[in-house]
Amino acid sequence: GAGVSQSPSNKVTEKGKDVELRCDPISGHTALYWYRQRLGQGLEFLIYFQGNSAPDKSGLPSDRFSAERTGESVSTLTIQRTQQEDSAVYLCASSLEGAREQYFGPGTRLTVT
Amino acid sequence: GNSVTQMEGPVTLSEEAFLTINCTYTATGYPSLFWYVQYPGEGLQLLLKATKADDKGSNKGFEATYRKETTSFHLEKGSVQVSDSAVYFCALRPTSGTYKYIFGTGTRLKVLA
Repeated sequence: GAGVSQSPSNKVTEKGKDVELRCDPISGHTALYWYRQRLGQGLEFLIYFQGNSAPDKSGLPSDRFSAERTGESVSTLTIQRTQQEDSAVYLCASSLEGAREQYFGPGTRLTVT
Repeated sequence: GNSVTQMEGPVTLSEEAFLTINCTYTATGYPSLFWYVQYPGEGLQLLLKATKADDKGSNKGFEATYRKETTSFHLEKGSVQVSDSAVYFCALRPTSGTYKYIFGTGTRLKVLA
């Protein structure tokens, strides 16, 4: 079946612009995660959605970052007034509720110039 | 707090050489441990996992044993191939009550023909 998909695969934006990143999880997966991967670093947890529960936003680095998910479908990560330090690969993953394995998308490479 | 430390890369080996990538962790209780692999241009894929002490995860010729006494989960393969060239991430999922994976910084492996 289809895996996790993300779009766009690459995004170059000017400092101060807003960007929106999209994630399509695996059908039936109730949990969805966003991570940030800076060059040469590990994955940094950003936000977690589980079904209709309130999302865990504890990893969002600032109020410029926000994310939404409608039900158990698509999620969008929005970064407002982008800064150069926002440049990174943004990874999305989904999993079945209660499962221990996450399935990752290919990521969106964001470059802020 | 929880953390994962893995050896820095890049690791460069000749084909058919023995591979070890070290991973140690800090966590309370008995976390689940994972190795993920990221091939060029792709998302992270689960390579293997172990959920309790002394468990051995294995897949595609790779192995890792959950060592509680040394808090380690080293990745090994007896004979690497060029196609194994990728970035390998060690990760842990805390014991319970949380879904937040903790990832290491990744180790790049390059296998030469």
